[in-house]
Amino acid sequence: EAQVTQNPRYLITVTGKKLTVTCSQNMNHEYMSWYRQDPGLGLRQIYYSMNVEVTDKGDVPEGYKVSRKEKRNFPLILESPSPNQTSLYFCASSQGLGNQPQHFGDGTRLSIL
Amino acid sequence: GESVGLHLPTLSVQEGDNSIINCAYSNSASDYFIWYKQESGKGPQFIIDIRSNMDKRQGQRVTVLLNKTVKHLSLQIAATQPGDSAVYFCAATNTGAQKLVFGQGTRLTINP
Repeated sequence: EAQVTQNPRYLITVTGKKLTVTCSQNMNHEYMSWYRQDPGLGLRQIYYSMNVEVTDKGDVPEGYKVSRKEKRNFPLILESPSPNQTSLYFCASSQGLGNQPQHFGDGTRLSIL
Repeated sequence: GESVGLHLPTLSVQEGDNSIINCAYSNSASDYFIWYKQESGKGPQFIIDIRSNMDKRQGQRVTVLLNKTVKHLSLQIAATQPGDSAVYFCAATNTGAQKLVFGQGTRLTINP
């Protein structure tokens, strides 16, 4: 089954404790992206990757890092999480961008205390 | 930059009625548009897309209309069912762009 898989689905942690949210897709997609979703603000892009070893900042990259060492995986790293990063996070992938819809994972709810 | 907005944050319709969700975009260079459905606890799910060389596209019980003159698109859902209750997002991009811009979503509630 074609899917985007995120882990963990839920995480409660404390300020400053490094965490990684993994994202994996099995569709051989080139484009991958991370979003955060907050009430009243909609989906905002954090980082994206056009292909292996190619990553770029989205609209709200501060406090986040990503890597794209292989095509299927695109982990999101919070080196020193803060409470304002409490949010619902989505990973998405697509073959291209301008002519193909993105497929989303089911989300990761992060709470930073 | 590009912005995408939905006209109503919430919409309630009776089961069996048709519903229309509207969306406006700002960038006249946008040439690819997507509608997503997000149910509680899940990620956005692709419903239907349309390219700027079309003004209408139909799927199963859904129709998307695109008016490039006024930079407006709409999602029509025919004969709504309880399972249609969700938040609906429109998104826009253009060939060569590196991001998809999302509207804030309309919550559709189906009343029995």
